[in-house]
Order: sequence, then C-alpha cells, then structure tokens
Amino acid sequence: DTGVSQDPRHKITKRGQNVTFRCDPISEHNRLYWYRQTLGQGPEFLTYFQNEAQLEKSRLLSDRFSAERPKGSFSTLEIQRTEQGDSAMYLCASSPLAGGLGEQFFGPGTRLTVL
Amino acid sequence: GQQVMQIPQYQHVQEGEDFTTYCNSSTTLSNIQWYKQRPGGHPVFLIQLVKSGEVKKQKRLTFQFGEAKKNSSLHITATQTTDVGTYFCAGLFGNEKLTFGTGTRLTIIP
Repeated sequence: DTGVSQDPRHKITKRGQNVTFRCDPISEHNRLYWYRQTLGQGPEFLTYFQNEAQLEKSRLLSDRFSAERPKGSFSTLEIQRTEQGDSAMYLCASSPLAGGLGEQFFGPGTRLTVL
Repeated sequence: GQQVMQIPQYQHVQEGEDFTTYCNSSTTLSNIQWYKQRPGGHPVFLIQLVKSGEVKKQKRLTFQFGEAKKNSSLHITATQTTDVGTYFCAGLFGNEKLTFGTGTRLTIIP
C-alpha cells in the first residue's frame, strides 16, 4: 500500500495522559499536513511541514500540542495532558506540490477518545 | 477570520434525482478544492478549481468556481447510491492552509 498511513487507528486514554500519533506520508511528498475533525464538521487545519520544517501552526494548536517531522519523512503529533475536548479524529495528509496547489492525500486518521 | 460556509448541511434525495451543494467565502479564494468523505472514511480529493468562472465536469459531477472567486458549487446529476457521503469544499486564501467547509451530507433513498 503506497498511501498515507497513520498509527494507531484508535486511541483511548484517560484525561491528563500524553498521547503520540504517527503519520507516514506517501514517499517523496514533501508537504505534510495535520488536521483535526470532530463529528459533523470539516477537517480543521492544525499545522504543516515542508520536508522537516514546520511552516505554520494554527492558533487552535495550544502549547499542549507539538508536531515534528525530524527527517522529512514520517511525522508525529503529541498531545500532552489530554483533555476531553481533545477527543476527535486526527487526520494526516501529504502532497507533492507546494503552494497548497493540488490534491492532498489523506490517511485513515487516528480516532482519539479522552475519558 | 477566513471562513468557508457550505449549504445545505444535509440533503436527502431519491435515487436518480439531482443534488447540489454550495460553498461561499466572504473573501477571495486563491483556489478551491472539493473532497468526498464516505461514512467512516477519510476525505478523498475530487477536483481543484483555480480560474475565475471555471467549470469542470467529471462524468455526472459538475464543479463551478464563481467569477469573483468567492463561491463554488458541486452538482451531481442523476444520483446513485454510490454518491452517498459528505462533500466538502476547501478553500485556499493565498497561503498553504486549506480551510474546509462544514460539508453537505448526502443520503440517497433507493
């Protein structure tokens, strides 16, 4: 399978715990995006990378959220001290093109439930 | 802020009827993309519109971008059960951040 993969697919955690999600983009895609999607809503932009450089972060991303793409390939999204409001689907997407042009290829997402 | 509004939120149609969803922005868009998300699935790219007044067709799907590049529409002719899902528009405001609409959830009555 040469698509975008995400791990884990589901995560249940208790409030206050830290969680980390992984995204493997399509190889050679230099753009990688993270989104959050809640029920009945469209995906909300969180952050994006060009290779290993994080170029923009949404104001939605509090200090408890951090994302990395250390070698310009896979990326991780960490949420510290999780809150119930963090429960959502976290989607990763990659694209080969700069400037936001062209298709973004989405992964299957990681569904986070914070108890 | 930069927002993309989408209507209607839900649409139920008889199989074979047409379907249209509309997307509006208060500010000019650089381009607009459309995605489809099946129940339990992830967004899948349908098309991108860049030029003012652009119209593109994919079989039974027709996509339009307004002259002022502030609105867009997706029209499906003669819906089929495979068209079920939520259709999102996503606008680009000159940066690289896609802003998604709230989506229109299409259900088909066989």
